[in-house]
Amino acid sequence: GDSVTQMEGPVTLSEEAFLTINCTYTATGYPSLFWYVQYPGEGLQLLLKATKADDKGSNKGFEATYRKETTSFHLEKGSVQVSDSAVYFCALSGPGGATNKLIFGTGTLLAVQP
Amino acid sequence: KAGVTQTPRYLIKTRGQQVTLSCSPISGHRSVSWYQQTPGQGLQFLFEYFSETQRNKGNFPGRFSGRQFSNSRSEMNVSTLELGDSALYLCASSWDGQGTEAFFGQGTRLTVV
Repeated sequence: GDSVTQMEGPVTLSEEAFLTINCTYTATGYPSLFWYVQYPGEGLQLLLKATKADDKGSNKGFEATYRKETTSFHLEKGSVQVSDSAVYFCALSGPGGATNKLIFGTGTLLAVQP
Repeated sequence: KAGVTQTPRYLIKTRGQQVTLSCSPISGHRSVSWYQQTPGQGLQFLFEYFSETQRNKGNFPGRFSGRQFSNSRSEMNVSTLELGDSALYLCASSWDGQGTEAFFGQGTRLTVV
């Protein structure tokens, strides 16, 4: 079945460091891909998305490119801030059939130190 | 524009009891999905409703059920609660269509004692 694999955390970085969180997926067809972020005590917020191969999603300095050839959707940010500390989830939806069901990775805790 | 509202935010129940959680989606959204989040299993899909019909279901026992009303509000019910049902239950609403983003509520934290 469809699945998402993302790198284990926690990831601990100093402020202004470069961030990469790896995400790969397994799916039949062409899913849509998402990164969600969860702050303590909160629900999930969409960070960015890409719906087809080679699309780049971006928001708040975060970027991820839909790579069909490597089935990947790695999250990057050039300079992290303390306020970026949160849990990040990679997810896919579709393909095939009318559904908004999301399949999530296990989440990666990011801790940014001043 | 109001976001997704889940009530209550916190619940404490005893084993064997049943519980009902409520979700009000964003106005105009007809798709509502429910997820269970636990430290051990992560985020797991429970079910999705669209226009009052269950459109998709995850791998949970029949003790977990849901429904959607004509105004798109949704409820989920868990009967005969077990300690392992302690979790954060998240509701998400969406426009229909592949690739549309899901908007999540803050969740209901259920503790079974």
